[in-house]
Amino acid sequence: QKEVEQDPGPLSVPEGAIVSLNCTYSNSAFQYFMWYRQYSRKGPELLMYTYSSGNKEDGRFTAQVDKSSKYISLFIRDSQPSDSATYLCAITTGNQFYFGTGTSLTVIP
Amino acid sequence: EAQVTQNPRYLITVTGKKLTVTCSQNMNHEYMSWYRQDPGLGLRQIYYSMNVEVTDKGDVPEGYKVSRKEKRNFPLILESPSPNQTSLYFCASSLGGGGTFEQFFGPGTRLTVL
Repeated sequence: QKEVEQDPGPLSVPEGAIVSLNCTYSNSAFQYFMWYRQYSRKGPELLMYTYSSGNKEDGRFTAQVDKSSKYISLFIRDSQPSDSATYLCAITTGNQFYFGTGTSLTVIP
Repeated sequence: EAQVTQNPRYLITVTGKKLTVTCSQNMNHEYMSWYRQDPGLGLRQIYYSMNVEVTDKGDVPEGYKVSRKEKRNFPLILESPSPNQTSLYFCASSLGGGGTFEQFFGPGTRLTVL
């Protein structure tokens, strides 16, 4: 069983739509939950992180963690064409990292 | 400019010919790591290093070696590459400690083993 599973997509949405990206994880020992964004032909870059259940907001992005159901979500409001990328969820205990397979998002102008 | 650099960016080689991919960071980061990215399998951790002379296996270490003799460098060594090691490789570094989760990734090395 994989440590983290991610909805593969791809997703294609019109500009301005709300996007929901989701992952589940298997081990309750994981403490940190992250979302990375990867543009084509580039390395991933950290978008958001959290270490507790609940919501964390940063501009148009909201990361949500439900530790009781081992569920991680990223919401993007008012999506823009510049948000078109692959989004990777990631989990860690602090040393070893596990990434989801990524969800490819295309925002159509 | 703060960055992680990898060399080479592209490499085509043949089965069994030893190769090294270099990784260097200029941010004085303690934590460094290597990943491979494959379609449908995502990003998987090969090895990581918490500090100089400290390395540990990640999820897929078989067929790879690493060393951390200096803080800034973390080379990935394939002593006898095989075609199943054809992949896109990323090096990453982070502050370490409580800031480990914010990893800065290099530009990637696309390796093809024939």
